[in-house]
Amino acid sequence: DAGITQSPRYKITETGRQVTLMCHQTWSHSYMFWYRQDLGHGLRLIYYSAAADITDKGEVPDGYVVSRSKTENFPLTLESATRSQTSVYFCASSEYRRALGQYFGPGTRLTVT
Amino acid sequence: QKEVEQNSGPLSVPEGAIASLNCTYSDRGSQSFFWYRQYSGKSPELIMFIYSNGDKEDGRFTAQLNKASQYVSLLIRDSQPSDSATYLCAANTGNQFYFGTGTSLTVIP
Repeated sequence: DAGITQSPRYKITETGRQVTLMCHQTWSHSYMFWYRQDLGHGLRLIYYSAAADITDKGEVPDGYVVSRSKTENFPLTLESATRSQTSVYFCASSEYRRALGQYFGPGTRLTVT
Repeated sequence: QKEVEQNSGPLSVPEGAIASLNCTYSDRGSQSFFWYRQYSGKSPELIMFIYSNGDKEDGRFTAQLNKASQYVSLLIRDSQPSDSATYLCAANTGNQFYFGTGTSLTVIP
């Protein structure tokens, strides 16, 4: 199906474990983004990518790693999960013409125990 | 100071009324502005974008932009119970998008 997908949709992990959240889009959009959404903070940008092999930090990058070897995929890795990383994570994409806005995936609800 | 600020609400309007949602932004370099609707437990959905001063209409939705006042608004005419959601305002500055914390809207039947 066309669109943007995320996996897993729900994940429970323990403190200190490495976790990778996957994001895949079929639109060939240039830009991809990772956000976390927490009550009281709204959506906060973690990392973004303007194209394959080009990534940059957002507002809250600490503790996260990204890569983008292919245009359609943008995985987010929590190297050593902490309880403060319990959140809902959204992946989004947009065309090179960013003025047209972003399209969001369904989200991954991550709980770190 | 946050890049984008919204009144968190909640905002309640009766069915059929006009709902008015407001947003201010701090960076005069912001170029484009967006309104997203987010239902509880779901992802944000793009409903409008605007980048020129003035009004932009799409069905029951009208976005308004005033760059001199750094102000963006969204009007929802003939509000329906299905419009009950959180509305997020966002600004595009350079390669990034900055989001407000959202305004919760309830349309009362």
